[in-house]
Amino acid sequence: KAGVTQTPRYLIKTRGQQVTLSCSPISGHRSVSWYQQTPGQGLQFLFEYFSETQRNKGNFPGRFSGRQFSNSRSEMNVSTLELGDSALYLCASSLGVRQDTQYFGPGTRLTVL
Amino acid sequence: SQQGEEDPQALSIQEGENATMNCSYKTSINNLQWYRQNSGRGLVHLILIRSNEREKHSGRLRVTLDTSKKSSSLLITASRAADTASYFCATDAYGNQFYFGTGTSLTVIP
Repeated sequence: KAGVTQTPRYLIKTRGQQVTLSCSPISGHRSVSWYQQTPGQGLQFLFEYFSETQRNKGNFPGRFSGRQFSNSRSEMNVSTLELGDSALYLCASSLGVRQDTQYFGPGTRLTVL
Repeated sequence: SQQGEEDPQALSIQEGENATMNCSYKTSINNLQWYRQNSGRGLVHLILIRSNEREKHSGRLRVTLDTSKKSSSLLITASRAADTASYFCATDAYGNQFYFGTGTSLTVIP
């Protein structure tokens, strides 16, 4: 089976812009979670989607949003970008409802100038 | 704050030696997982141990879990240069949300 894919892999934006990141989970996986990784804060949970519904949300401002489509693919959007949003954004998929083994994509490296 | 904290933050050993890293967490959990991350890439799942298990093995990996102390350890035996990476523990406290620890950076010197 193909692994989790994320596009784009690298992105450079300027403050105030918005960005959309995409994640395709492993075939058959219905749960997709998003994480932000920075040197200062480590890995922080953004949100989790299951069957097109947001099941859980981390402690991030409303500028961070996401959605999941019927084919389980997911997108996350960050509006009004700030310098502090520069990070590696990781997507992970898992089979079912409970947080079991997660399979991570390679990440999208976002740089905000 | 982070649910999990790894110790040590950084570890440097010679190839062939064993590497031990520890993880402490704050609340009751259903399971604890260990992941490896190579140089800013995605995380790779290593092993999952459930709260009713005390020890688990997978190849050169040995994980222990002490729920009374809210701690876990990951032992990598006969380390190789390819084991150089950051290692994270993750717990599933607070419902369906995963919390990752701060990570241990392991360097294996050939």
